Amino acid sequence: GAGVSQSPSNKVTEKGKDVELRCDPISGHTALYWYRQSLGQGLEFLIYFQGNSAPDKSGLPSDRFSAERTGGSVSTLTIQRTQQEDSAVYLCASSLVPRIGGNTEAFFGQGTRLTVV
Amino acid sequence: DAKTTQPPSMDCAEGRAANLPCNHSTISGNEYVYWYRQIHSQGPQYIIHGLKNNETNEMASLIITEDRKSSTLILPHATLRDTAVYYCIVRALYNQGGKLIFGQGTELSVKP
Repeated sequence: GAGVSQSPSNKVTEKGKDVELRCDPISGHTALYWYRQSLGQGLEFLIYFQGNSAPDKSGLPSDRFSAERTGGSVSTLTIQRTQQEDSAVYLCASSLVPRIGGNTEAFFGQGTRLTVV
Repeated sequence: DAKTTQPPSMDCAEGRAANLPCNHSTISGNEYVYWYRQIHSQGPQYIIHGLKNNETNEMASLIITEDRKSSTLILPHATLRDTAVYYCIVRALYNQGGKLIFGQGTELSVKP
């Protein structure tokens, strides 16, 4: 597809279970970002990838959260031992490498709505 | 933390211009002003960005003050479909991977 694709669109899981959220960025976009949006709140930055490396993981809320990216393309966000406070919409965005004068627009996916019961 | 301040909400009559203000008094010389909007239950959508000159595209106009400490997003003829939360973001392209730090935004309600 032409846009950022995230799957699943909705996920309901039991407290204590692990979940994996997937992001397929736009082809050719080397920069990838994960965000979290709790109900009625703004977007909270989680992690940034440049290629397969993650130079900025400063937003990950705890060591239960991890992410990886393979082949400079697909990324997976994993939440271990989920808690109710993890319930939120998880959004992924991708862009070309940010640079002066270049097209640096970040495109967002529609998100994965995670509900922990 | 977000480096911008926006009013939490605004109303606009359909067909009129919507002027959304943003303060970014601590902006640095290499930081751009970006605007995104988020329509209910959707991912954020890029609108426009600028460094110091005013910018216009098919969606909106961006007016940046000469000292770059504030800006205004203008939707020239607002429609009901423009009802959304509008985020003003200061983005450093060369630092921190160009990540976007979102504040609380302005909830714009366009009314018939």
